[in-house]
Amino acid sequence: AQTVTQSQPEMSVQEAETVTLSCTYDTSENNYYLFWYKQPPSRQMILVIRQEAYKQQNATENRFSVNFQKAAKSFSLKISDSQLGDTAMYFCAFGLLKTSYDKVIFGPGTSLSVIP
Amino acid sequence: GAVVSQHPSRVICKSGTSVKIECRSLDFQATTMFWYRQFPKQSLMLMATSNEGSKATYEQGVEKDKFLINHASLTLSTLTVTSAHPEDSSFYICSAIRSLNTEAFFGQGTRLTVV
Repeated sequence: AQTVTQSQPEMSVQEAETVTLSCTYDTSENNYYLFWYKQPPSRQMILVIRQEAYKQQNATENRFSVNFQKAAKSFSLKISDSQLGDTAMYFCAFGLLKTSYDKVIFGPGTSLSVIP
Repeated sequence: GAVVSQHPSRVICKSGTSVKIECRSLDFQATTMFWYRQFPKQSLMLMATSNEGSKATYEQGVEKDKFLINHASLTLSTLTVTSAHPEDSSFYICSAIRSLNTEAFFGQGTRLTVV
């Protein structure tokens, strides 16, 4: 069974600074997907970034980038130039998505506060 | 991105009654839909995986007879909380996958309060 761990329940960062959120996972699969989702106070889940395990290149989306270390089963999220709107819960997620019965499972989340 | 609509966003019901929550994919056909439950300041707990035309696959510990899931079409899945009790009060979120090897898109969530 797959598991996702986020070891930082809460983090804070000054506006315009950079912060890194940690995520580790456990799986015996070789091909899979990893995601970071953001959940602001509205509670709408928003996809921040995704990474296919077969790709060695780290995914980047504007101010968001990941450090994907497949051998170490690590998938950290770096937020550059933090903005007040980045304040939210961040969930790391794992999905196989190979069949219609595969699940997407989530880590426990990290609450990020951006301080003005 | 793809749009998933969940309705209602908030519902209050009396203890012992049933309530239905709808999850619709508005601009794509969803091969799979997921139902999650989220307690305050906690993560999303997967309740069940729903595939069109087949019975839902429930996670261990989730009561099938209490949380009825119907996935009648490729764009609609429903979760019915039967004989609701105050402990069923929670935030319920659905998500849908457009096709394999893509991400899950989420509905807005439903806050259920049982009084």
